[in-house]
Amino acid sequence: QKEVEQDPGPLSVPEGAIVSLNCTYSNSAFQYFMWYRQYSRKGPELLMYTYSSGNKEDGRFTAQVDKSSKYISLFIRDSQPSDSATYLCASGTSYGKLTFGQGTILTVHP
Amino acid sequence: GAGVSQSPRYKVTKRGQDVTLRCDPISSHATLYWYQQALGQGPEFLTYFNYEAQPDKSGLPSDRFSAERPEGSISTLTIQRTEQRDSAMYRCASSLERGADTQYFGPGTRLTVL
Repeated sequence: QKEVEQDPGPLSVPEGAIVSLNCTYSNSAFQYFMWYRQYSRKGPELLMYTYSSGNKEDGRFTAQVDKSSKYISLFIRDSQPSDSATYLCASGTSYGKLTFGQGTILTVHP
Repeated sequence: GAGVSQSPRYKVTKRGQDVTLRCDPISSHATLYWYQQALGQGPEFLTYFNYEAQPDKSGLPSDRFSAERPEGSISTLTIQRTEQRDSAMYRCASSLERGADTQYFGPGTRLTVL
């Protein structure tokens, strides 16, 4: 079993929809949690990160962590075609080693 | 530099050959990470450097894989006696400091072993 599990999708939604992306993790040593976005043929780019349980909002994006259930979520409001990408959740240790999920392929169609 | 760069972008080699991949991190960044990303998967940690020290190489798949960062800036990843299963995207990332800091990823080197 992988330390970070993520449903690979693919997920296809209409423009304007609310998107929910989810991951679970098993290692209690993980101290922080990140969401990366990866466009086709590009490297991953950091979208959001959080240390603690709760919600963190940045524009149309909300990251949610529940450490008690080891559950990580990313919500995208008013999704746009430009949000079409692979979304990777990642969990990190104190020195920066990241463990990634498999990635969820998201397509937002006009 | 403006971002993390990697070379070559594509490498095709025959089984049994050695290959060396290069990563040029953002100039002020102390920490450098190497990841392997298979198609349709997330990156998997290989090793990391804090300046020239290499505290963790637990992710290297075998002793055919080695990495260096002799002057604490540019790093190389060498795969000896390549095998077909080594075919993957190899990504380098750098961060300002070790720890929970943003990792900036390079464009990757696509390695194909025939």
